[in-house]
Amino acid sequence: GAVVSQHPSRVICKSGTSVKIECRSLDFQATTMFWYRQFPKQSLMLMATSNEGSKATYEQGVEKDKFLINHASLTLSTLTVTSAHPEDSSFYICSAPTGGFGEKLFFGSGTQLSVL
Amino acid sequence: EDQVTQSPEALRLQEGESSSLNCSYTVSGLRGLFWYRQDPGKGPEFLFTLYSAGEEKEKERLKATLTKKESFLHITAPKPEDSATYLCAVRGIQGAQKLVFGQGTRLTINP
Repeated sequence: GAVVSQHPSRVICKSGTSVKIECRSLDFQATTMFWYRQFPKQSLMLMATSNEGSKATYEQGVEKDKFLINHASLTLSTLTVTSAHPEDSSFYICSAPTGGFGEKLFFGSGTQLSVL
Repeated sequence: EDQVTQSPEALRLQEGESSSLNCSYTVSGLRGLFWYRQDPGKGPEFLFTLYSAGEEKEKERLKATLTKKESFLHITAPKPEDSATYLCAVRGIQGAQKLVFGQGTRLTINP
């Protein structure tokens, strides 16, 4: 099946630093990728849609200057959490659709961000 | 606005004890209902996609069914390794390729 690789799997950083998370589609091309955020024992909340070669689309309430998304190629999207604060600590997961109509959505393994 | 509600929130079963998980949804034009399995600290693992009422899909001890208002994930004779959180999500015609997820059901199978 399709594989989505996400790195790093875990990050611990000091408050005020920026953290970059990479999401790669390994065996297929993805013009669109999705970034989700998940708090403990809660479901996935869509943050933004990453579009190759154009600006990302952010969901309501998500700060675009806080969460910078770059989709520079058909296999790579990055999420940068800028000036991270403890409230940004969460589990971040990327996903990419595949199949004829993008009907299957495969997820990366997630990144646990802890901001001290 | 598309919405998904899953029940129960948590379920404990004995090994071999069959049961069903529920996913109720409201969506403007269903373009797919998805079931995922998520283990702690991992990304969701794709299980099934259902597209129309009456459709059923099976994989090992799991069977997913779909009506116009809800979906069930039936688990038959579960084993401890089936313990995980099961997530349901829908894609509507207005959401492009976006999925809206339910809160999940945390399933624990005791040996």
